[in-house]
Formats: sequence, C-alpha cells, structure tokens
Amino acid sequence: GQQLNQSPQSMFIQEGEDVSMNCTSSSIFNTWLWYKQDPGEGPVLLIALYKAGELTSNGRLTAQFGITRKDSFLNISASIPSDVGIYFCAGQPSYSGGGADGLTFGKGTHLIIQP
Amino acid sequence: KAGVTQTPRYLIKTRGQQVTLSCSPISGHRSVSWYQQTPGQGLQFLFEYFSETQRNKGNFPGRFSGRQFSNSRSEMNVSTLELGDSALYLCASSGQGVGGYTFGSGTRLTVV
Repeated sequence: GQQLNQSPQSMFIQEGEDVSMNCTSSSIFNTWLWYKQDPGEGPVLLIALYKAGELTSNGRLTAQFGITRKDSFLNISASIPSDVGIYFCAGQPSYSGGGADGLTFGKGTHLIIQP
Repeated sequence: KAGVTQTPRYLIKTRGQQVTLSCSPISGHRSVSWYQQTPGQGLQFLFEYFSETQRNKGNFPGRFSGRQFSNSRSEMNVSTLELGDSALYLCASSGQGVGGYTFGSGTRLTVV
C-alpha cells in the first residue's frame, strides 16, 4: 500500500528556533494535510493543501505542496513552548469512483523544546 | 459549533469479546471516517461512510465493521477482540470530499 516517509522522527529545539519537517511519498497525492496531536487528544488540522506548488501559511506555520505531488513540508517559525507535540503529515490519493479515499498518515515528528 | 464527539473515551475489554464505539460528527457533516492509532503502526485508515454507505475500506480484517445512520452518526464494531486491537480509535468527519477532516478525541480501547 501507499506509504509516507516523514522526517525527522523527533526534533529537540530551543524556544525561538525555526523548525522544518517534511514528508515524501512513492505515490501521487491529491491533497496534503498537516496535523498536530497533543497527548490524549485527536489530531488537529493545521494546514490543508490542494494544489501542486501551493504554499499556505497559518500564523507561524507555513506548508507547501510539492510540484511532483509526492512531497510536502511544514515550517514553524520562532517556536514557542505550546508548539510541543507530534506533527503528522497526511495525504489523500486521487479520487476513484467519485468517492474520497482514506488518509494515509506519516509516522509523525515529535517536537520537543529544550529549556 | 460542537466538534466530533466520540464515546466512550476509555474502554477495557477481555479477549474474545466484542465492542461498539460511537461517533457523532460535526452537525452538517455527512462523511465519517475511522482510524486506528497504535505506537507501532501509527494512524491507519479503517473505513469511510457517506450518506449511510461505506465508500472505502482500509486493510483490516472482517472483524472490524461499521455503519452510519441517517443522522450521520456512526458506529464501529470489533468482534472477537484480540490483544493487538488495543489502540486509540479515532473518528473524523468532513463536510466536503477533499481533506479538511476534523478528528474527535478518540476512544482508548484496552484489550486484556
């Protein structure tokens, strides 16, 4: 089946630093999504990307949909303590039969802020 | 606007039993998807329902089933529970066909 390779697995950063993580796929995706998950909660949608080459920002977060449709990255600028958590990329393949396919998730990037 | 509500939040079951989990989507959302999250496999797609019809199914055994009601509420059922079914089960709803899924807080199932 389809797989997403998300890297890095974990990041140890200091408050104020910029963060960058990315996802690559062996298949083309029609949609790229970035989620953040806090302990004991479900993932929360951060940014949704629908067009190849699209660059979208949400506050200090910026994400891009790769032009090959096989990759995406997420940047966080000037990290703050509440940015700690697990970040997931998710891809949705092209439509088939008019119905939406399920999301394929990366394994996640654990963001840890060092004191 | 209420979010996606999943009940119960926590559940402990014995191997061999069956379990039913419930999900109420955001009002007006007609698409409901279910995912299993484990430390080893991560988040994996189980199935998706739209207007009471299963549109897509992930690679899970037949012990995992679901349904959607006319009010878009959904249930998933796992029969003959195995220890490996212990996981966080997440429900997500969407008001459109492309991305933008909103997740609930999940049901933590522990099989002993």
